[in-house]
Amino acid sequence: AQKVTQAQTEISVVEKEDVTLDCVYETRDTTYYLFWYKQPPSGELVFLIRRNSFDEQNEISGRYSWNFQKSTSSFNFTITASQVVDSAVYFCALSGVLSGGYNKLIFGAGTRLAVHP
Amino acid sequence: ETGVTQTPRHLVMGMTNKKSLKCEQHLGHNAMYWYKQSAKKPLELMFVYNFKEQTENNSVPSRFSPECPNSSHLFLHLHTLQPEDSALYLCASSSRANYGYTFGSGTRLTVV
Repeated sequence: AQKVTQAQTEISVVEKEDVTLDCVYETRDTTYYLFWYKQPPSGELVFLIRRNSFDEQNEISGRYSWNFQKSTSSFNFTITASQVVDSAVYFCALSGVLSGGYNKLIFGAGTRLAVHP
Repeated sequence: ETGVTQTPRHLVMGMTNKKSLKCEQHLGHNAMYWYKQSAKKPLELMFVYNFKEQTENNSVPSRFSPECPNSSHLFLHLHTLQPEDSALYLCASSSRANYGYTFGSGTRLTVV
């Protein structure tokens, strides 16, 4: 069975602090995809990143960076120099190989990040 | 403009009412999804439609009835709901070439 665990329910930081959101996953598939989504107060989930299971290179996009480690089944997300606009709920998700023309995402419970001025 | 539009944004309905949620995408995606997001619970996949055909129904009560007339439109018909059905209902779409979902802004449903 596939499962995504985000152990941190809520995190509160002060602006300009660095913060890491943890994500641990379980799957028996050898090929899979990992995602992070951001859900601001407006409600929609905004796609941030997708990684496949064969690409363990860390990725940096501006203040965002992701650390993928297959050995520990983790895909952690770090925000450097956090800003108030980063306040949102962040979801980690996992999907198997595309099957029948679609993929099914399994989401973690989410981590609510509050960045205070 | 997210590419996936959901209406209405907010809905309050009584337990005896019948209402429908609408989702529309013009991204050329072939798959559409309904998710339920309740307070303090993980996102729950409800239904999946692929090329207008329902491919998944995750043990959703029959008071929720999906309809997908074409690959661009998805409805969720609601009748005789319970207060515990109050939640944010999110629609998403995806394509063969894109392994991620594009989400709508959701419908915040309150059952009174």
